[in-house]
Amino acid sequence: LAKTTQPISMDSYEGQEVNITCSHNNIATNDYITWYQQFPSQGPRFIIQGYKTKVTNEVASLFIPADRKSSTLSLPRVSLSDTAVYYCLVVLTGANNLFFGTGTRLTVIP
Amino acid sequence: EAQVTQNPRYLITVTGKKLTVTCSQNMNHEYMSWYRQDPGLGLRQIYYSMNVEVTDKGDVPEGYKVSRKEKRNFPLILESPSPNQTSLYFCASSLIGTDTQYFGPGTRLTVL
Repeated sequence: LAKTTQPISMDSYEGQEVNITCSHNNIATNDYITWYQQFPSQGPRFIIQGYKTKVTNEVASLFIPADRKSSTLSLPRVSLSDTAVYYCLVVLTGANNLFFGTGTRLTVIP
Repeated sequence: EAQVTQNPRYLITVTGKKLTVTCSQNMNHEYMSWYRQDPGLGLRQIYYSMNVEVTDKGDVPEGYKVSRKEKRNFPLILESPSPNQTSLYFCASSLIGTDTQYFGPGTRLTVL
């Protein structure tokens, strides 16, 4: 499984766009990049997944360059409720087992 | 409402007293899994199950047991809890062949 590296923590002011970058140099052809979000005292929840280029949903955007060795989760105009830990995972197509690292703790400041 | 439920949500017990944490899902998912979360270590998988009567070890299975007699339930059993099993435990489920897992609310266990 490809190892992922992401910043331990980030701070941002309300209303700003936040970009969290994840490095996955050993990603394999059949791997997808998946991001989960975990609020304090709750279980993680899936927010977005992509294979290459750009994916956007109602929560976030995911940018993946052509070499796929990194990815960037973008949260537009964050609010205090976006304070959470964000996990970047590289997941083999069709695999159920997930391997979480320690994630990036995002703190949104008023 | 589609959900994963865990009980109890909080438990304080003493060393050696057997306990069971229940997990149930109503989404007809084949895959279920248990994780523990500790400060600085992230989430680590304890056991998982691909279907009824099919279970396998995750990364940190020592000191735990599981069973999968019914598709919806996946209890976590600590036969003889020890203080190093004090942790926050999450159950999760998903369809086979997908990596979108649905997590329960967590069970905070303290072993004295």
